[in-house]
Amino acid sequence: NAGVTQTPKFRVLKTGQSMTLLCAQDMNHEYMYWYRQDPGMGLRLIHYSVGEGTTAKGEVPDGYNVSRLKKQNFLLGLESAAPSQTSVYFCASSHSGLAGGSSYNEQFFGPGTRLTVL
Amino acid sequence: GQQVMQIPQYQHVQEGEDFTTYCNSSTTLSNIQWYKQRPGGHPVFLIQLVKSGEVKKQKRLTFQFGEAKKNSSLHITATQTTDVGTYFCAPYNFNKFYFGSGTKLNVKP
Repeated sequence: NAGVTQTPKFRVLKTGQSMTLLCAQDMNHEYMYWYRQDPGMGLRLIHYSVGEGTTAKGEVPDGYNVSRLKKQNFLLGLESAAPSQTSVYFCASSHSGLAGGSSYNEQFFGPGTRLTVL
Repeated sequence: GQQVMQIPQYQHVQEGEDFTTYCNSSTTLSNIQWYKQRPGGHPVFLIQLVKSGEVKKQKRLTFQFGEAKKNSSLHITATQTTDVGTYFCAPYNFNKFYFGSGTKLNVKP
């Protein structure tokens, strides 16, 4: 099993360009998440999905769109990139987001995508 | 959003010394997870705490959840160079995890 994979690993964009980051998981997880990590700020949730065809906003959704057309894939889009979106982007998945003592909502992270916007 | 403060921000220790990081929330938490991120790597799940006053151990790591479920701590006994990295708490609320800013641990051999 590959776990969670992210494509691409690195990308440099110019201001105003668009791009899509792809996240794929082979663990049949229901929940998927997109985070961004900036130096000294931990991880901030951008968008998440609780199942195929559903998405929801996280803490910092502005400037990003997402789609979950297939259960195993979660796409993050930047329509018009800005320098403030320079960051490392992590995708994660979990079996369930529900609380209750279950270990099923352990999040598995991908290796990350390092994005620079000039 | 969820208010989570993690302290200290940085900790430098000599190998063999103990280390503790604390996570404090402004609201009562349903559960909390802890993750470790090695330099240049991605976060890796360590543990999940659910019950008030819960204490869990993993070898040299001890995790605690406060009685009021508003704070949590991670204690490492006799640190090793392999413990180097950033430790994040991630409280859970309404289908989402809110990550603390992390404590960066450096261990001098």
